[in-house]
Amino acid sequence: DIQMTQSPSSLSASVGDRVTITCRASQSISSYLNWYQQKPGKAPKLLIYAASSLQSGVPSRFSGSGSGTDFTLTISSLQPEDFATYYCQQSYSTWIFTFGPGTKVDIK
Amino acid sequence: EVQLVESGGGVVRPGGSLRLSCAASGFTFDDYGMSWVRQAPGKGLEWVSGINWNGGSTGYADSVKGRFTISRDNAKNSLYLQMNSLRAEDTALYHCARVSWVGAIYYWGQGTLVTVSS
Repeated sequence: DIQMTQSPSSLSASVGDRVTITCRASQSISSYLNWYQQKPGKAPKLLIYAASSLQSGVPSRFSGSGSGTDFTLTISSLQPEDFATYYCQQSYSTWIFTFGPGTKVDIK
Repeated sequence: EVQLVESGGGVVRPGGSLRLSCAASGFTFDDYGMSWVRQAPGKGLEWVSGINWNGGSTGYADSVKGRFTISRDNAKNSLYLQMNSLRAEDTALYHCARVSWVGAIYYWGQGTLVTVSS
């Protein structure tokens, strides 16, 4: 199976900060990479699909980039509602779409 | 409105079996692949299994391969997960999810809790 890693595992940031989360795949996954946000007690919310496409309704401060094995989720100006855990997910391997371990973003 | 409603969770002893069901509505069920994703208490998301639109292609995480079987009944708009030889580490909230054409998940069910304990 394709393994996914994320860094950092957690970070502390302030409102207005630029935040970058990195995701790495154990083999090339082209652009088959999705990003989710999850808040406690809630189902995950799709933010970015196919590495860089913004899901409808998601604020434009969220952006994704990368291809192959290395990917990035950027929040250009962190807002209070963005404190959450973020997961990447590969959808390259047939019907085995592994998630990364998550990055928790909390308030500094 | 898309709805995914899971059922079948509960408390089971190690080595036991459970069958989860997911009732789908609000969309053309056989237009989409489906998946099961679980989340142990306080832990991250884990992809468990996925199935294509007609059941002809499936995949399983290594952690459940050989013990879990995913299936679907398009006539009943339903997705299933047969779980055998359950272990304590299978304890989690199990979500049914609709998979888009690029493998992303926009719609999630609220989940059904599976607890494996003696």
